[in-house]
Amino acid sequence: NAGVTQTPKFQVLKTGQSMTLQCAQDMNHNSMYWYRQDPGMGLRLIYYSASEGTTDKGEVPNGYNVSRLNKREFSLRLESAAPSQTSVYFCASRWGQGYEQYFGPGTRLTVT
Amino acid sequence: KQEVTQIPAALSVPEGENLVLNCSFTDSAIYNLQWFRQDPGKGLTSLLLIQSSQREQTSGRLNASLDKSSGRSTLYIAASQPGDSATYLCAGSGNTPLVFGKGTRLSVIA
Repeated sequence: NAGVTQTPKFQVLKTGQSMTLQCAQDMNHNSMYWYRQDPGMGLRLIYYSASEGTTDKGEVPNGYNVSRLNKREFSLRLESAAPSQTSVYFCASRWGQGYEQYFGPGTRLTVT
Repeated sequence: KQEVTQIPAALSVPEGENLVLNCSFTDSAIYNLQWFRQDPGKGLTSLLLIQSSQREQTSGRLNASLDKSSGRSTLYIAASQPGDSATYLCAGSGNTPLVFGKGTRLSVIA
């Protein structure tokens, strides 16, 4: 049972490049989430998918897009990376409201 | 809008001490309160989940309590060990995604 997996683990981009962060869970969870974590700012929600087929903006959605590919997979895309998007990105999932949430190991992204 | 606060931001204690980490939230209409541990450079590991109908949960040396009326949760760690050194985050949600505090960085000194 792998839980929540994320790829890649590390990535360096140049300003203006695009990339997609991948996330998958094998716990049959309905809800999936993307967060970024920055020093002094804590964890901030970028986008989430409460159930397959739905996505919603979180606190800091600008510059990002998401796709809920199926129940298992939820990807985060940076169309034109900016240095302000240098951060650690975490994917998480849970069965639904009120249930335990689980996190992936994170992707460390640096934009130069 | 739910806001979650954790005080203090950092705490250093000698090994063997019992300690309490504090978490406060602004909206008492929460479904659950979850405590996490994060080691440097790692992801978040779930420690305890307290449902809104519960007052506390226990796992080993950890005990978490929830008081919705006062908007507070505490994480009690008994007989602390150097391996408990990490950042501890609390998060709560109503009919919304989890909102996180900024965490308390705990150092247990041998």
